Amino acid sequence: AQSVAQPEDQVNVAEGNPLTVKCTYSVSGNPYLFWYVQYPNRGLQFLLKYITGDNLVKGSYGFEAEFNKSQTSFHLKKPSALVSDSALYFCAVRDPDQAGTALIFGKGTTLSVSS
Amino acid sequence: NAGVTQTPKFQVLKTGQSMTLQCAQDMNHEYMSWYRQDPGMGLRLIHYSVGAGITDQGEVPNGYNVSRSTTEDFPLRLLSAAPSQTSVYFCASSPGLAGGLGEQYFGPGTRLTVT
Repeated sequence: AQSVAQPEDQVNVAEGNPLTVKCTYSVSGNPYLFWYVQYPNRGLQFLLKYITGDNLVKGSYGFEAEFNKSQTSFHLKKPSALVSDSALYFCAVRDPDQAGTALIFGKGTTLSVSS
Repeated sequence: NAGVTQTPKFQVLKTGQSMTLQCAQDMNHEYMSWYRQDPGMGLRLIHYSVGAGITDQGEVPNGYNVSRSTTEDFPLRLLSAAPSQTSVYFCASSPGLAGGLGEQYFGPGTRLTVT
């Protein structure tokens, strides 16, 4: 069965510093991988996805993520954090070889950016 | 486009009551799903649908029913509410069969409290 893990409940960084939010996954085939962000009292918003191709994918708000097949990871990164990046971040995975399956989400990582 | 809409935004139920959470999308998406979000648990899939007339269970389906009579609507029914169903419920949709390659679009959520 597919699964995704976010090993950190919270990540704290200072504004202007680089940030990384970690994600590892487990699927039987080649994964579709996603990052979503949730601001307080809001629904989830799509940030970026990896389907195939270049291992480094760029998304909204200056975020990027690197797909590493050997480490089964898909870490979210940003070169310079902003206070407004503070939010709850979710990694999600889907196994395209399993027809009809939905996205499976990690438990989420709270990012706190201090000024 | 209104995107994905959910009603109501807030609801308080007594144990044993039933109700229906409404979800509608105007993007002609084939794939729709319901998640519940609980602190520290991330998003857990309740039910999903790959098209009108087709539904399937997710990770936590017990106590919930769904139907998909039209492409636009995907209501979630609580048969006999229990305090364990206190949660925030999100509806999401995605183009293409079985979720396709695209990201999911989330509604704003329904905050349900069962006393």
